[in-house]
Amino acid sequence: DQQVKQNSPSLSVQEGRISILNCDYTNSMFDYFLWYKKYPAEGPTFLISISSIKDKNEDGRFTVFLNKSAKHLSLHIVPSQPGDSAVYFCAAGATGTYKYIFGTGTRLKVLA
Amino acid sequence: DAGVIQSPRHEVTEMGQEVTLRCKPISGHNSLFWYRQTMMRGLELLIYFNNNVPIDDSGMPEDRFSAKMPNASFSTLKIQPSEPRDSAVYFCASSLRGGLTYNEQFFGPGTRLTVL
Repeated sequence: DQQVKQNSPSLSVQEGRISILNCDYTNSMFDYFLWYKKYPAEGPTFLISISSIKDKNEDGRFTVFLNKSAKHLSLHIVPSQPGDSAVYFCAAGATGTYKYIFGTGTRLKVLA
Repeated sequence: DAGVIQSPRHEVTEMGQEVTLRCKPISGHNSLFWYRQTMMRGLELLIYFNNNVPIDDSGMPEDRFSAKMPNASFSTLKIQPSEPRDSAVYFCASSLRGGLTYNEQFFGPGTRLTVL
């Protein structure tokens, strides 16, 4: 049973436009969410996180939005750049636990 | 500072053979995680160590899989005997603390395992 779901395996966006990556979760105990970016032949690297006490967190071109009632979060990249082309993993964790549950990833391709 | 180091980067073996994957966490980190990445299931946590002690191995698929952390700077993941369905990319990650607080996990480059 996938507790964290990324229903779009891939996404293509034109350079300069907005990229929106979505993630849904089922466990209402999750209260901390992260996005990791992964380039080919490399390990995932941390990108941005958000706590459930917030509904938005911004870091430069990257913004994560959290909708707790819908159990949904999204990552916005504006403007998208070719270097953003990678696989993006959504992950969730719960207070009192030590582990993150990862989604299956979304492959983003930014077209020049 | 060097990141998480994994070896080998690629491993091709035949069904039934023993496979050992190695990991050196970031110096000073006290938590270590082994993950497996597949297309269908994404990144699955296999086992978690805190201060060299296995805390949760509920993600280990079956008895063919075992992991050890003899000291703070080294861990192994062993598959014996290996099967074609074990083919995947295996990642090691480490973090500081990793207890009840949320800490960034630093991933190694992974080992791509192919079992023929």
